[in-house]
Amino acid sequence: DSGVTQTPKHLITATGQRVTLRCSPRSGDLSVYWYQQSLDQGLQFLIQYYNGEERAKGNILERFSAQQFPDLHSELNLSSLELGDSALYFCASSAPEAGWGTEAFFGQGTRLTVV
Amino acid sequence: DAKTTQPNSMESNEEEPVHLPCNHSTISGTDYIHWYRQLPSQGPEYVIHGLTSNVNNRMASLAIAEDRKSSTLILHRATLRDAAVYYCILRTSGTYKYIFGTGTRLKVLA
Repeated sequence: DSGVTQTPKHLITATGQRVTLRCSPRSGDLSVYWYQQSLDQGLQFLIQYYNGEERAKGNILERFSAQQFPDLHSELNLSSLELGDSALYFCASSAPEAGWGTEAFFGQGTRLTVV
Repeated sequence: DAKTTQPNSMESNEEEPVHLPCNHSTISGTDYIHWYRQLPSQGPEYVIHGLTSNVNNRMASLAIAEDRKSSTLILHRATLRDAAVYYCILRTSGTYKYIFGTGTRLKVLA
């Protein structure tokens, strides 16, 4: 158990809908990362938050947004869903930056299926 | 973003050592080398990281070339539970991303 909790574990929704994925980081971790993993794209970095502020952005679509709340949990919002958005979405967290050797801890992921 | 190159797949016999190579010829002086692995149906799991010197932990060893343009993850005695995709990642200083490549799928034969 990595200590990172993602809910829900599975989500099935229709095209055009909007969903929210939730992530609770490990206790004390200030950084939260979101990744998308699809069969043909591998693990794609989406976005990172540190203590409530956006720190880095990757290949995140404009239809997707994220935020980190004062209690440090994070939500990834996916809207106007398309079939191609079906994927595993992982959240990871890491401790306050003590250098670039900090390891990240990943949750078990949310499997999103868009039908 | 600095990139890494790994073989797509490797096979090993159970109880034997495994050497997983990674090339990172564009590495910069302050980039850390991280290794993660992803077991089937699970999220990636940290294995080991290093900067310049070789590193050992309970899971594996990391051997870093003197010029830092390549590294090797060493599993001393492969078990069936080590079958996974192994990712070599450069943690680029000045950014906050872990950029995953395609990884090496390790198959362990009983």
